[in-house]
Amino acid sequence: QVQLQESGPGLVKPSETLSLTCTVSGGSISSYYWSWIRQPAGKGLEWIGRIYTSGTTNYNPSLKSRVTMSVDTSKNQFSLKLSSVTAADTAVYYCARGVYGGNSEYFQHWGQGTLVTVSS
Amino acid sequence: QSVLTQPPSVSGAPGQRVTISCTGSSSNIGAGYDVHWYQQLPGTAPKLLIYYNSNRPSGVPDRFSGSKSGTSASLAITGLQAEDEADYYCQSYDISLSGPHVVFGGGTKLTVL
Repeated sequence: QVQLQESGPGLVKPSETLSLTCTVSGGSISSYYWSWIRQPAGKGLEWIGRIYTSGTTNYNPSLKSRVTMSVDTSKNQFSLKLSSVTAADTAVYYCARGVYGGNSEYFQHWGQGTLVTVSS
Repeated sequence: QSVLTQPPSVSGAPGQRVTISCTGSSSNIGAGYDVHWYQQLPGTAPKLLIYYNSNRPSGVPDRFSGSKSGTSASLAITGLQAEDEADYYCQSYDISLSGPHVVFGGGTKLTVL
């Protein structure tokens, strides 16, 4: 059973860059789409973007200018960088594996989530 | 404001049937993109409940069912149980200049009375 685990600083200062890593275990990272999704406290889910193991990326248009994703297949990890953060970026950040096909994509495997707070 | 619109809350008594709607537009559900549903219990990650409009993953009770028509989709829960009290989210694709991207509904809180 594939498992995902987010890791990274829980506190980031305003204007700095948020960096998170998702480690995949119980299966290979290859040949799948991997996404980052976030959820501010008491609010809904927001898709940040996805990366394929080839390195191809797609980002949420509303965040595209600040997001960079990368993948390291040798470590079975993929990463998120979100630049110029503000308090509005405070949220629980989830990594998830996308199942892509037909006319959409869904997320069957999720990490437990990690809270990132933006504050000075 | 989410691209997909869900009612903020629904409620029902144990044993009853409730439905949760997910209303989109011609740039998402109406464009033919499939809809998926997730259940999120307090303090936990979302769990896939329905995929490709009406399919249940292994382990999801058949009390949960999904449907899609036109620019909307629905999640139905029959034989409501206390353990069903959770937040529910629909998810699909939306068209943008850079290609289709993932969108979620705003979520619906289900209260079991």
